[in-house]
Amino acid sequence: DTGVSQDPRHKITKRGQNVTFRCDPISEHNRLYWYRQTLGQGPEFLTYFQNEAQLEKSRLLSDRFSAERPKGSFSTLEIQRTEQGDSAMYLCASSLPGELFFGEGSRLTVL
Amino acid sequence: QKEVEQNSGPLSVPEGAIASLNCTYSDRGSQSFFWYRQYSGKSPELIMFIYSNGDKEDGRFTAQLNKASQYVSLLIRDSQPSDSATYLCAVIEVGRAGNTPLVFGKGTRLSVIA
Repeated sequence: DTGVSQDPRHKITKRGQNVTFRCDPISEHNRLYWYRQTLGQGPEFLTYFQNEAQLEKSRLLSDRFSAERPKGSFSTLEIQRTEQGDSAMYLCASSLPGELFFGEGSRLTVL
Repeated sequence: QKEVEQNSGPLSVPEGAIASLNCTYSDRGSQSFFWYRQYSGKSPELIMFIYSNGDKEDGRFTAQLNKASQYVSLLIRDSQPSDSATYLCAVIEVGRAGNTPLVFGKGTRLSVIA
């Protein structure tokens, strides 16, 4: 399968714990995006990378959130000290300039 | 603050009818416009994109763009129950660093009744 893959697909955690999501983009895509989506809302932009450089971060990305793409290939999104408001679907997408291809998402539930 | 507005619906149409989905955007610098379809519990998938004023047709789908009115729409002809999904409008502005990330609307939920 050559699409965007995300891991884990589901994560249930207790408030205050740290969680990390991984995204493997389509191999030739140099751009990688993280979005967050809650029920009834469209995807909200969090951050994006061009190769290993993090080019833009949304104000939604508080200091508890950190994203990396160390070698310009896969990316990780870490949430520290999770809160119930962090419960959402975290979507990764990759692209050349143009169309975004989304992964299936990582659903986070914070109890 | 860039905004993309869509009626959340649900929009209900009978099978075989034309479904019309609308979207307005606030940023006049927006240059590229996308329609994504999202089935419940799944990730968004691209249906169409449009850059120029006017109509663009692809099979049963037609995207319409009016930059003067900051309005983009999606028409689905001969609607099928399998078209029942949430349709997301997204816009992008070409900035100094190249394209900026897509800004999505909240989506319109379409229900096609058999």
